[in-house]
Amino acid sequence: DAKTTQPPSMDCAEGRAANLPCNHSTISGNEYVYWYRQIHSQGPQYIIHGLKNNETNEMASLIITEDRKSSTLILPHATLRDTAVYYCIVRPNLYNFNKFYFGSGTKLNVKP
Amino acid sequence: DVKVTQSSRYLVKRTGEKVFLECVQDMDHENMFWYRQDPGLGLRLIYFSYDVKMKEKGDIPEGYSVSREKKERFSLILESASTNQTSMYLCASSLSRGHQPQHFGDGTRLSIL
Repeated sequence: DAKTTQPPSMDCAEGRAANLPCNHSTISGNEYVYWYRQIHSQGPQYIIHGLKNNETNEMASLIITEDRKSSTLILPHATLRDTAVYYCIVRPNLYNFNKFYFGSGTKLNVKP
Repeated sequence: DVKVTQSSRYLVKRTGEKVFLECVQDMDHENMFWYRQDPGLGLRLIYFSYDVKMKEKGDIPEGYSVSREKKERFSLILESASTNQTSMYLCASSLSRGHQPQHFGDGTRLSIL
């Protein structure tokens, strides 16, 4: 199963773009990349997911490299409310629910 | 927006009690899940269900059971609560078709004394 590697923490100034990296060098062709975040004392919140093309929604953009070995989540204008732990997850199999792993994630600190 | 509602945010029970955690989703999702989250261990899947009355064991089903009598409701049961079941419990739901994300509730922080 593809594992992911994320930095344990990052800082970002309020109003600036936050770029959160994720390495998934063992990803296989049919595996999607998902991003979630978890604000303290709340459940994980779905942000975005993609296979190989870049994706954008109202919350964020997801940039996946051409070789699919890494990706970047971009929050275009970070606010204090974006302070959270961000999880990058590679989903190995559509029906293999046991393998939907949340790792340690990246603690994003947005500072005024 | 998807809404996954867990019946309690905080719960305190005693060792040996039978504990029920309830979860309701309002988006007609086929799949529902129960996880527990512990520091340093991430989220671990306890049980999931892909249809009414269907259930599958996750990674750590011991000491737990589940019930899904209606599509929108998924219950987690601690048959005889023990202190090592003190944890944050998270419910999630998702559609079956295609690659769909799981949507989570806000969790129940359960303390077993």
